[in-house]
Formats: sequence, structure tokens, C-alpha cells
Amino acid sequence: GEDVEQSLFLSVREGDSSVINCTYTDSSSTYLYWYKQEPGAGLQLLTYIFSNMDMKQDQRLTVLLNKKDKHLSLRIADTQTGDSAIYFCAESSNTGKLIFGQGTTLQVKP
Amino acid sequence: ETGVTQSPTHLIKTRGQQVTLRCSSQSGHNTVSWYQQALGQGPQFIFQYYREEENGRGNFPPRFSGLQFPNYSSELNVNALELDDSALYLCASSYSGGALDTQYFGPGTRLTVL
Repeated sequence: GEDVEQSLFLSVREGDSSVINCTYTDSSSTYLYWYKQEPGAGLQLLTYIFSNMDMKQDQRLTVLLNKKDKHLSLRIADTQTGDSAIYFCAESSNTGKLIFGQGTTLQVKP
Repeated sequence: ETGVTQSPTHLIKTRGQQVTLRCSSQSGHNTVSWYQQALGQGPQFIFQYYREEENGRGNFPPRFSGLQFPNYSSELNVNALELDDSALYLCASSYSGGALDTQYFGPGTRLTVL
């Protein structure tokens, strides 16, 4: 079946790196996404990775994909208080829908 | 470039009533998807519209219905509201036809059913 799992909470100090992990089940997913949601807001697309890639870097964000283990991670370098939010990973199914994890709440302490 | 917009931002209804939520897609996009996000959960796919027709549906009952208009905007209608329908309803637009059909989300409509 289709399922995406994430750890629920991560707390880091400002300036440290944050690593948010995700596992998925649908090996036919073409793209995998990371979205950010701030309180009371919609989802903001952060980055995505094509399933035939291992890594993608975009400024402070690094996405790693282990297709064999169906494991996706998002690393945020030099984490700032403005990065405090809920982070969702999502896989795209061949029907066009996105399947989301439950979200990881990132708390950044000053 | 105008992003995805949704209206209203908040809505309060009572059980049994009907509600219509609206979404304007991002310029250049031809596909709209709707998601329900319950408190503390990830978004759940309701359905997707492409060229004014339903193009995939999640595990939601028929009282959830939708429309897409020629300008690619969309409506989500929910009949016979239940308490469990209280959630944030998110609309996402995308362009179907390219290699990458990334979905961009609107700010959502917060629906409370009393």
C-alpha cells in the first residue's frame, strides 16, 4: 500500500544542522517532495528530487534519496529560528496525487 | 505571477449544512487538486480536476464533489456536513503535460463544523 512515515518532532539549536527523515513505500514514485508549513498557513514547496537522483542541493537544503531503502532525508544547514515549522515529505503517485507523511515539527532554539 | 488563492479563509457551519469552497489556480496551470488536512495530520488527497473533469479520487464519500471551470479555477462542495469534516482544506494547482507536475498550494480554508 501507499504510506509515508516521518518522525514527529525534532529540536535543534540555532546554527546547528537539522536532518529530517522520511520513509515511503511506493517504489514507482517519480518525484519526492519536501513542503514546509508554518502555523495557520498553507504548504510551501521547499524542494523536490527525481527518483533517479541520489542527492540534490539547493542553498541551505540538501536532499538525500536512498531508493533501495526507500528513505528520504532533508538536511537544513545553519538552521535559523525562521526555519521553525512543520515539514512534510510527499511522494507522487502515478495517479497524480501526493501522499504525505504526518509531518515533522522542527523546533529551533536560540 | 499570481499564486494559488482560496476563499473564504475561515468558515463555520453546523452539522447537516452544505459548503462550497473556492480556489483560483496559479497562472499557466491547468490542474487543480484538493486535500483535507485534519489537525495534527498530513494532507489527504480528496480529488483532482484536469480539463474540467475529475481525474482521480481519494477515499472520500460522494458527498464530497467538485467542479473545474474553463479558466481552471475550481470549487469543492461538501454536502451533509459532519463534525469530522472540520479541517483545513487545501487546494493545489499544477501544470499537467510536462515532465514535472509540481503542485503549488494555496493558503487553505479552515472549516469548522459545529
